[in-house]
Amino acid sequence: AQSVTQLGSHVSVSEGALVLLRCNYSSSVPPYLFWYVQYPNQGLQLLLKYTSAATLVKGINGFEAEFKKSETSFHLTKPSAHMSDAAEYFCAVSLRATNKLIFGTGTLLAVQP
Amino acid sequence: NAGVTQTPKFRILKIGQSMTLQCAQDMNHNYMYWYRQDPGMGLKLIYYSVGAGITDKGEVPNGYNVSRSTTEDFPLRLELAAPSQTSVYFCASSLTASSYEQYFGPGTRLTVT
Repeated sequence: AQSVTQLGSHVSVSEGALVLLRCNYSSSVPPYLFWYVQYPNQGLQLLLKYTSAATLVKGINGFEAEFKKSETSFHLTKPSAHMSDAAEYFCAVSLRATNKLIFGTGTLLAVQP
Repeated sequence: NAGVTQTPKFRILKIGQSMTLQCAQDMNHNYMYWYRQDPGMGLKLIYYSVGAGITDKGEVPNGYNVSRSTTEDFPLRLELAAPSQTSVYFCASSLTASSYEQYFGPGTRLTVT
């Protein structure tokens, strides 16, 4: 069965510091992987996705993630945090050719001035 | 395009009451989904539809029903509301299967007391 684990339910960084949000997946077949962002009182918005092309995926707002099969990881990074990055971030996995996303439990990112 | 719209934004129900959460999309997407979001739990799939007239259960379907009579609309019905159904409900849609982005509505916050 597929699953997603996000390490750290709360992460706090200083403005300008590196953002690293961790996601590990479990899947018996090559998965599709996604990062979504949720700003307060809003729906989810896609940040980036991995669908078996390049292993380093660039998304919106300066975020990127690297698919590492050997580590079953898909960590999200941003070189320099901005106050506007404060939000909850969800990693999700789906099997190829299915239409169901399995979400992690989310990581709430706080950015300190 | 309005994207995915949901009504109402907020609702308080008494135990045993019924209600329908409305969801509509104007992107001509075939796939539509209902999720619930509980604190610290991520999003769980309730029901999904791959096209008009076709629906299927997700991970947590008990206590809910859906119908899909048109491509645009995908209402979620709660027949006998229970406190365990207190949650934030998100509707989403996608063009086809999981390799494509799911577009989320703004959510409906439901409280059952």
